[in-house]
Amino acid sequence: EIVLTQSPATLSLSPGERATLSCRASQSVSSYLAWYQQKPGQAPRLLIYDASNRATGIPARFSGSGSGTDFTLTISSLEPEDFAVYYCQQRETFGQGTKLEIK
Amino acid sequence: QVTLKESGPVLVKPTETLTLTCTVSGFSLSNARMGVSWIRQPPGKALEWLAHIFSNDEKSYSTSLKSRLTISKDTSKSQVVLTMTNMDPVDTATYYCARTDYGGNQRSWGQGTLVTVSS
Repeated sequence: EIVLTQSPATLSLSPGERATLSCRASQSVSSYLAWYQQKPGQAPRLLIYDASNRATGIPARFSGSGSGTDFTLTISSLEPEDFAVYYCQQRETFGQGTKLEIK
Repeated sequence: QVTLKESGPVLVKPTETLTLTCTVSGFSLSNARMGVSWIRQPPGKALEWLAHIFSNDEKSYSTSLKSRLTISKDTSKSQVVLTMTNMDPVDTATYYCARTDYGGNQRSWGQGTLVTVSS
């Protein structure tokens, strides 16, 4: 069973800064990796699928990269609404999440 | 517009069986290469995938919960049903259903329903 490890657990940044979130898989998942954003009291929302494809309606400041075992979600310039928890997922497995908080 | 809505009991007793229904609109459960998954989230914790079912009736279950889960669909009613037997307080969580593509990506989510297991 694949294990996804996200780092860091918490990331403290200011609006306007660049955010880099990492997800590492215990074995190669090719490019089959997705990223989700979850705000308090809300359901998750798909941001990125197949490692680098933005889902419908997702702003261009969100980008994904990587293949094999190492993946990155980048938010180029943080907006106030971007502070949330982010999860990576590969089929039946979710990572433990990265909380992006305001510094 | 694709929507999914979960329904079921808010409170179940330990050892009871939980039955949750996901009612979808804006797409058909017979759509090729699309399906519905169930995912849960204990309070303050991470997401946990439970099961999925696709248009061709292909089903898959979480390895750790497989013995307790059953997923089924009624295409005519646009509903997907998940049953989980022998409920325990550790199963207290918000349960979500989501529209899933063949790559396993959860494209759209329901609002979730909080299920508490307590005597």
